[in-house]
Amino acid sequence: AQSVAQPEDQVNVAEGNPLTVKCTYSVSGNPYLFWYVQYPNRGLQFLLKYITGDNLVKGSYGFEAEFNKSQTSFHLKKPSALVSDSALYFCAVRDVDKLIFGTGTRLQVFP
Amino acid sequence: DGGITQSPKYLFRKEGQNVTLSCEQNLNHDAMYWYRQDPGQGLRLIYYSQIVNDFQKGDIAEGYSVSREKKESFPLTVTSAQKNPTAFYLCASMRDAEVGTQYFGPGTRLTVL
Repeated sequence: AQSVAQPEDQVNVAEGNPLTVKCTYSVSGNPYLFWYVQYPNRGLQFLLKYITGDNLVKGSYGFEAEFNKSQTSFHLKKPSALVSDSALYFCAVRDVDKLIFGTGTRLQVFP
Repeated sequence: DGGITQSPKYLFRKEGQNVTLSCEQNLNHDAMYWYRQDPGQGLRLIYYSQIVNDFQKGDIAEGYSVSREKKESFPLTVTSAQKNPTAFYLCASMRDAEVGTQYFGPGTRLTVL
C-alpha cells in the first residue's frame, strides 16, 4: 500500500532563514507526490506536485520540493521563511484514484 | 478554496441525531471526496465518488452515508451510528486530467453536544 510519513509534528524557524519540512514515502511503482498547506480553520490548498521529470519541483508562494528516489523522500523547502508561512503542511501520495495524506507538520515562523 | 462550497461552517448536533453536510462544486470536476480531520491524525478518507450515482467507501466509512445524484453535489450524512462525530469535515474535488490535484472546500466543523 502507498503511504507517506511526516516525521516532525512541528518545525520552528526564524523569519528569513531557510525552512525544510520533511516527507518520506513508500510506494509500489512510480510515485505521484504532493504538498498541500492548510491555514487555520480553512481547507487545504495545493502547493506543488511531482509526477515525473526534474527532481526539483517549484510551486506556489516560493516553495519548492526535492524528489529523492534513493532516500524515498520529498522534502518541502523555501530559501527564506516568512511569518505568513506559518501553517499546517501535508504531504500526500496518489493511490490509484485517491490521495493518501501524512499526519501533517505544523510550521511556526518566528519574527 | 476555489469553486467548492461547504455549508454550514459550524454545526451542532445532539446525540442520536442525523445531520447532513453540504458540498457543492462548480468546477465541473468528476471526482469528489469527503475527509475527516482530527488533531494529530491528518486527513482520513470517508467516502469518494468518481462519477454520478457511484461512490466508494474510504478508510472510515462506518457511521456515514453519501449520495451523488448530481455531478455538482456530494452531501455527507453523519448518522447516529457514528460514535465520535465531533471533527472538522473537508470536501474536495478533482478533475481526472490533473492527476491527483484536489481542490478543497472551507470545511464544516461539527460538534456533538
